[in-house]
Amino acid sequence: GENVEQHPSTLSVQEGDSAVIKCTYSDSASNYFPWYKQELGKRPQLIIDIRSNVGEKKDQRIAVTLNKTAKHFSLHITETQPEDSAVYFCAGSHFNKFYFGSGTKLNVKP
Amino acid sequence: DTAVSQTPKYLVTQMGNDKSIKCEQNLGHDTMYWYKQDSKKFLKIMFSYNNKELIINETVPNRFSPKSPDKAHLNLHINSLELGDSAVYFCASSSIRAGYTFGSGTRLTVV
Repeated sequence: GENVEQHPSTLSVQEGDSAVIKCTYSDSASNYFPWYKQELGKRPQLIIDIRSNVGEKKDQRIAVTLNKTAKHFSLHITETQPEDSAVYFCAGSHFNKFYFGSGTKLNVKP
Repeated sequence: DTAVSQTPKYLVTQMGNDKSIKCEQNLGHDTMYWYKQDSKKFLKIMFSYNNKELIINETVPNRFSPKSPDKAHLNLHINSLELGDSAVYFCASSSIRAGYTFGSGTRLTVV
C-alpha cells in the first residue's frame, strides 16, 4: 500500500516569512495529492490539491509542487499570517484511497 | 447546509459499553470513509464504502462494525469500548473528481 511521509512535524516561523512542508510517497500509481489544514478542534479542510499531470499549482499565498520522478510534493506558504497557524496534512491518493501524512504543526509568530 | 454531518459531536461513555456514530453526506459522493485521529493527530483510515459496498477495511478490531444503509449514510458501531478507543472519529466522503470533505468529527472519550 501507499506510505506517505511528511516533514517537519513542527514548524515555527515569523509572521511574513515563508513556510515549506514536504511529503514523499511510495506508490507510483498515486495520482492525486491534496493538502488539508486543520485548525484546533475543527475538521481538516482542503486548501489546495495537485494531480500527477501537473508540476505546480498556485492559489494566492499557497502553492504546491510535485516531482513525480522523485515521488515528493511540497506545500509552500508565503507571507505567513497568524491565522495560518494550524496542523497541515498531505495525502497521496489512488482510486479514492487516501493515505495521509503524519501532519505538520505550523506556528506563525506575530 | 452541512455537507457531511456526523452525530454526536461528543460522546463520553464507560468501558465495555456499545455505542454508534452516525454520518450523512448530501454531496452526492459515491464513497464514504471513517478515519480515526488519535492524540498525536495522526489520521488513520479505518473503513471505506463505495455505493454501500465495503472496499477498504484496514486493520481495525472487529469490535468496530461499519454499516452503510445507502450511499449517503455510513454509520460506525463500536462494541465493548476500551480506553484505547478514545479519539476523534471523522467521517468523510469523496467522489472521483473531488477530494475529501470531512465531517466535523466525534470526540469519543472512554472512561
